[in-house]
Amino acid sequence: GIQVEQSPPDLILQEGANSTLRCNFSDSVNNLQWFHQNPWGQLINLFYIPSGTKQNGRLSATTVATERYSLLYISSSQTTDSGVYFCAVDQPTNFGNEKLTFGTGTRLTIIP
Amino acid sequence: NAGVTQTPKFRVLKTGQSMTLLCAQDMNHEYMYWYRQDPGMGLRLIHYSVGEGTTAKGEVPDGYNVSRLKKQNFLLGLESAAPSQTSVYFCASSSRDRDRQPQHFGDGTRLSIL
Repeated sequence: GIQVEQSPPDLILQEGANSTLRCNFSDSVNNLQWFHQNPWGQLINLFYIPSGTKQNGRLSATTVATERYSLLYISSSQTTDSGVYFCAVDQPTNFGNEKLTFGTGTRLTIIP
Repeated sequence: NAGVTQTPKFRVLKTGQSMTLLCAQDMNHEYMYWYRQDPGMGLRLIHYSVGEGTTAKGEVPDGYNVSRLKKQNFLLGLESAAPSQTSVYFCASSSRDRDRQPQHFGDGTRLSIL
């Protein structure tokens, strides 16, 4: 099956710093999602981005499907950005829907 | 707007006991999914459903059964719980709309098997 690798596995930053998280995948995909799992375990969908660049406030994401990677940028980090960031790739099933394969995540800790 | 609701939020079982986790969505989504998340790992797909009465196996289906008798509900059953099934379980749903839509996740059920 498809492999999804995220780097770095852990990242500790001072508040206000910028960061770049990377997601590599081993095969072509229909779509890619970035999630933030907060300290309470809730999964929050950040971006749904098959290709190109999207921005939402301090966060932006870029997917280069032809080269099989995606990047998540966080600028001016805040303590509330702490948590685990997952990328997940969509692949089609025989039924016409899509199933997600998740990476192992990047644990981000923002220090005040 | 509730979205995806999972019941219960926490549960402790003894080895060999059975239980059912309930997932309910109010968005009229056709597709529903069950995942498990183990420490330090991403989510892995257990089973999914593309409509009432239609289910399929995911990446880690062994030891679980599912049913989708109503469009809004997707049940995950453990017939004989094992310690290896200690995990956090997430349900998700998505639409069949032509414009691809992301999966919407519930808040998870934390299950411990002693």
